[in-house]
Amino acid sequence: GEDVEQSLFLSVREGDSSVINCTYTDSSSTYLYWYKQEPGAGLQLLTYIFSNMDMKQDQRLTVLLNKKDKHLSLRIADTQTGDSAIYFCAESPSTGKLIFGQGTTLQVKP
Amino acid sequence: GAGVSQSPSNKVTEKGKDVELRCDPISGHTALYWYRQRLGQGLEFLIYFQGNSAPDKSGLPSDRFSAERTGESVSTLTIQRTQQEDSAVYLCASSSLLAGGLYNEQFFGPGTRLTVL
Repeated sequence: GEDVEQSLFLSVREGDSSVINCTYTDSSSTYLYWYKQEPGAGLQLLTYIFSNMDMKQDQRLTVLLNKKDKHLSLRIADTQTGDSAIYFCAESPSTGKLIFGQGTTLQVKP
Repeated sequence: GAGVSQSPSNKVTEKGKDVELRCDPISGHTALYWYRQRLGQGLEFLIYFQGNSAPDKSGLPSDRFSAERTGESVSTLTIQRTQQEDSAVYLCASSSLLAGGLYNEQFFGPGTRLTVL
């Protein structure tokens, strides 16, 4: 079956690193994604990783993929108050549809 | 257009009424998706269109929900005899098809917030 699980809440101090974790079930997913949702704004693709990679770095973002354990993580270095948002992990089975986790609310305290 | 647009942005209706939600995808995007986001939840997949056909309708929660797409462009999601549990934000996304049958990034619209009283 298709299921994506995330922890619901993470609180960090400005300047610290944030790590948001996700587990998924569908090993056929070609890509795995991280989306960001801010209040009053649409859903924004942050980054993605191809399933045959184990790490991808994009400026302050690092994505780690453990395909054996079906575990995906998003690390945000030097977290800023502007990073406060809900972060969704998503997997993409063959039809291209996205299966989303429940979202992790990241709270960044000044 | 420049992005995915949806209308209306907000819809308040009474229980039992029918509603139609519209999505205008990015021009040239062959794939179109509908998702639903209930308050405090993640997005649930509803239906996927490739061109004007819907090869995956597995997420439609009941036969009160239907969708169509015409001209490989606009899509309409219809909910008949709305119930309070249908209250949610309905999001549409579109993407282009890459060579080899893979799908490109999905671009999301701003959503329609549906409230059923």
